Amino acid sequence: DAEITQSPRHKITETGRQVTLACHQTWNHNNMFWYRQDLGHGLRLIHYSYGVHDTNKGEVSDGYSVSRSNTEDLPLTLESAASSQTSVYFCASSVFGTGMNTGELFFGEGSRLTVL
Amino acid sequence: GENVEQHPSTLSVQEGDSAVIKCTYSDSASNYFPWYKQELGKRPQLIIDIRSNVGEKKDQRIAVTLNKTAKHFSLHITETQPEDSAVYFCAARSGNEKLTFGTGTRLTIIP
Repeated sequence: DAEITQSPRHKITETGRQVTLACHQTWNHNNMFWYRQDLGHGLRLIHYSYGVHDTNKGEVSDGYSVSRSNTEDLPLTLESAASSQTSVYFCASSVFGTGMNTGELFFGEGSRLTVL
Repeated sequence: GENVEQHPSTLSVQEGDSAVIKCTYSDSASNYFPWYKQELGKRPQLIIDIRSNVGEKKDQRIAVTLNKTAKHFSLHITETQPEDSAVYFCAARSGNEKLTFGTGTRLTIIP
């Protein structure tokens, strides 16, 4: 079955280290997104991509980067981890569509990151 | 950009009663409004959605209403059951594919 997977599911790191969270989907979806979830803030968009070699900043992109070299993967990198980046990170994907035909957003299982 | 406000942040209802969660959005161009349910420790999953050419949509015990003029939409759950306990997120999307989420409502069903 097609799916979207994230790894690692749990990660503890130290301030200043580089961290990469992987996201892999087998639906052949064009659109991929990274959200972070924090109590009181809901789901906030970090970065997103509409296709290979396309990346865009979301509302909380500072300190994060992504790259899209193929359809299936959108890794999220924290260049120099900070305690404020302790959070649960969700990757998601959707079929490309416009307006009224936009498809459902499918989420991965989440990656819990703790920065000490 | 789009801004979505969601109320209440927490809601407790007796089993069998109804629950209502309300959201407002700011971008009049938004045309797609999904609701996601997130059980403890799990991923958000779509439970119902509505598009701007429709005023109401029902799926068994769940319904969503949309008022485009007032820019608000609501989730209605009737005959609540213990398995309805979860965090619910509303969201809004305009034509650029991005979903903007509300801050979530933690619904607790009291047996």
